[in-house]
Amino acid sequence: QVQLQQSGPGLVKPSQTLSLTCAISGDTISNNGASWTWIRQSPSRGLEWLGRIYYRSNWYNDYAPFVKSRMTINLDTSKNQFSLQLNSVTPEDTAVYYCTRLIGENWLDPWGQGTLVTVSP
Amino acid sequence: DIVMTQSPLSLSVTPGEPASISCRSSQSLLRRNGYNYLHWYLQKPGQSPQLLIYLGSDRASGVPDRFSGSGSGTDFTLKISRLEAEDVGVYYCMQGLQTPITFGPGTKVDIK
Repeated sequence: QVQLQQSGPGLVKPSQTLSLTCAISGDTISNNGASWTWIRQSPSRGLEWLGRIYYRSNWYNDYAPFVKSRMTINLDTSKNQFSLQLNSVTPEDTAVYYCTRLIGENWLDPWGQGTLVTVSP
Repeated sequence: DIVMTQSPLSLSVTPGEPASISCRSSQSLLRRNGYNYLHWYLQKPGQSPQLLIYLGSDRASGVPDRFSGSGSGTDFTLKISRLEAEDVGVYYCMQGLQTPITFGPGTKVDIK
């Protein structure tokens, strides 16, 4: 059974960097059939796909246009985990952030437990 | 980007009665392989979304058979044959055809 465990701070100051980590158990980050993905959810914008990292003989990233200039997804194969960094945050970045696995370039399952990140002074 | 819409946005259902949610996409989700890249999720109160239906009509592991998905192309339906108390929450459709992956606004289902 695949499980994703998120960690990271719940409060970030404006203009600083939001950092979250997702630890994978029950699967390997280099699984050719999976993409490791970040989603966020807010009352005003609903569920938003942010980006992913995946292995297809090489490592690739794919980001949503609206965060592409500020976002980086990294990985640590030795710890079987991936991370999100979102730079220059504003209160608009306040949301619940989820890590999840995209299966077969298609559906998302499972999801991490979610982390509420508040951007405030 | 593919725009996903849902109707209704809220639904109150008597336990034991059926419920139906519609999802529409701004472009066809049917690929040449014959599969519709449309998926349904349920987010129970205080929880993360969980996969219910994938590829339009396949139930995820452990999902009761009172849940069914149908449709093709741009029009899809999620049906609950007999609503139970544990089915309350927000239901989302999602397209996996292309990135950025996009979601519908959600349909909130509660008990009447």
